[in-house]
Amino acid sequence: SQQGEEDPQALSIQEGENATMNCSYKTSINNLQWYRQNSGRGLVHLILIRSNEREKHSGRLRVTLDTSKKSSSLLITASRAADTASYFCATAGANSKLTFGKGITLSVRP
Amino acid sequence: DSGVTQTPKHLITATGQRVTLRCSPRSGDLSVYWYQQSLDQGLQFLIQYYNGEERAKGNILERFSAQQFPDLHSELNLSSLELGDSALYFCASSFGGTSVWNTGELFFGEGSRLTVL
Repeated sequence: SQQGEEDPQALSIQEGENATMNCSYKTSINNLQWYRQNSGRGLVHLILIRSNEREKHSGRLRVTLDTSKKSSSLLITASRAADTASYFCATAGANSKLTFGKGITLSVRP
Repeated sequence: DSGVTQTPKHLITATGQRVTLRCSPRSGDLSVYWYQQSLDQGLQFLIQYYNGEERAKGNILERFSAQQFPDLHSELNLSSLELGDSALYFCASSFGGTSVWNTGELFFGEGSRLTVL
């Protein structure tokens, strides 16, 4: 079964707007990661946040983690058409297994 | 380019057949992970190897098997194929981090697209 569940399933925004994607999970984690996948391609790692961290930034990406609510959010600021892709959250537990959610499809309209 | 190489990129075969997918991890990475991606099931973890040993097992069918060789490349064997096995199969690798139990960033290959007719 999937550990992380992303919300919304699909998101369509205008170029220049911010995109916020959420992820909820069920069990305790060591870290939470976000990945991006362009259509039919391999996944690319975006950012990792450890269970003792609350917020992390990388370029136009900002990720937050609330372990009390078992949730995370990924914010992409000033989106570009090239950001169009599927985004996955993945949780790493104690068994070294990285479990992915079903993903969010982001469409950025030029 | 992630540095992870998967072959073949595309494979078309018939039900009941057996195929082998191959993965070469990034130079220096000790862990190899196999994932199956399909429209209905999403991205499913199959199995992980660390330095030649099986480390974690997911939703891998008994018809499927994998191994990691001394040179760290890995193979995923799929046998008695069914229509439902059609999917994109990904290999990913990681160094393993300071602890194999603390999974860090994974580097994914471009996948092997399997079509079973």
